[in-house]
Amino acid sequence: NAGVTQTPKFQVLKTGQSMTLQCAQDMNHNSMYWYRQDPGMGLRLIYYSASEGTTDKGEVPNGYNVSRLNKREFSLRLESAAPSQTSVYFCASRDRADIQYFGAGTRLSVL
Amino acid sequence: GQQVMQIPQYQHVQEGEDFTTYCNSSTTLSNIQWYKQRPGGHPVFLIQLVKSGEVKKQKRLTFQFGEAKKNSSLHITATQTTDVGTYFCAGSPGSARQLTFGSGTQLTVLP
Repeated sequence: NAGVTQTPKFQVLKTGQSMTLQCAQDMNHNSMYWYRQDPGMGLRLIYYSASEGTTDKGEVPNGYNVSRLNKREFSLRLESAAPSQTSVYFCASRDRADIQYFGAGTRLSVL
Repeated sequence: GQQVMQIPQYQHVQEGEDFTTYCNSSTTLSNIQWYKQRPGGHPVFLIQLVKSGEVKKQKRLTFQFGEAKKNSSLHITATQTTDVGTYFCAGSPGSARQLTFGSGTQLTVLP
């Protein structure tokens, strides 16, 4: 089992460019999450999906959109990247014991 | 909204010394979880506490959940270099569907 897989691992964008971060889990979990991590600020929830077909905003959703494509996949889209979106992005899924499993992260720089 | 504060932000210890990180929530929590993130890595689940006053141990790590379910602590006895990383607490006022993470404590262990 691969667990939670994120692509790409690294990305550099110019201001205004768009991109989609991909996330897939093979643990048959219903709930999936997108976080961003900035120095000294811990993990902040961007969006989450409690089940296939549903998505909800988290603490910092502005500038992002998500798609729960199916039970396995949950993507995060930046329509017009801004320097303030430079961060490390983590995808996670949650099991029935409420444990969250994280992917390896995507390190994004917006110039 | 709910806030989870964690102190200290940084801690340097000599190998063999003890270490403690504290977590305080602005609201009563139904449960609290602890995660560890190694440098350059992703958060990995350590433990979940649910009951008021609960204490759990994992080898040299001791986790406590306060009587009022608004605070928690992680204590490491006789630190080792393998303990290096950032320790996060994460809590939820209701179900664990949406966790709020503390800002983390970055532990450095000097050999």
